[in-house]
Amino acid sequence: GEDVEQSLFLSVREGDSSVINCTYTDSSSTYLYWYKQEPGAGLQLLTYIFSNMDMKQDQRLTVLLNKKDKHLSLRIADTQTGDSAIYFCAESYGGYQKVTFGTGTKLQVIP
Amino acid sequence: DVKVTQSSRYLVKRTGEKVFLECVQDMDHENMFWYRQDPGLGLRLIYFSYDVKMKEKGDIPEGYSVSREKKERFSLILESASTNQTSMYLCASTGTGIDEQYFGPGTRLTVT
Repeated sequence: GEDVEQSLFLSVREGDSSVINCTYTDSSSTYLYWYKQEPGAGLQLLTYIFSNMDMKQDQRLTVLLNKKDKHLSLRIADTQTGDSAIYFCAESYGGYQKVTFGTGTKLQVIP
Repeated sequence: DVKVTQSSRYLVKRTGEKVFLECVQDMDHENMFWYRQDPGLGLRLIYFSYDVKMKEKGDIPEGYSVSREKKERFSLILESASTNQTSMYLCASTGTGIDEQYFGPGTRLTVT
């Protein structure tokens, strides 16, 4: 079955770049996603990448996809305290956007 | 700007009780989902529905059932709550666009 893995915790200083990593096992994934969950809130879709792309940039966010190694990363430039949250990597394939989520990485930004 | 709402933010129930968690979306989405979120396990799909009166089992359906009588409402039912169902429950709805994904704020359920 599908398996999506992330490290549980990352701590960075305000202003530095954050890199959150994710590995997945399903080579038939169509889309890969990054979600943000702020304390006490539901998930918010941050960005996504189609499986035939290598990179996607959206303002401070850069997503890199290495299909050969089944590795996805999210880089947040100039990390701010408001970026403190749990970040989930996820993948989907087929219809109905059925999504398989990773374990989540808690990002702590130190002022 | 409310998109997906859940009936309760916090709920405390006793073992054996029947529990209803309600989710409502106002975007006319076909697809709705129920997940549970546990630390270190991420989100796991319980059930999903792609149309009124239609339902599909997710990865962990045991101990749960669902109901979708109207397009905007998707209910999760715990027929006889157990302590191992203590968790955060998240509802989501999705539209046709890949970025049309919205989550509710979650219901933290404690079963004692």
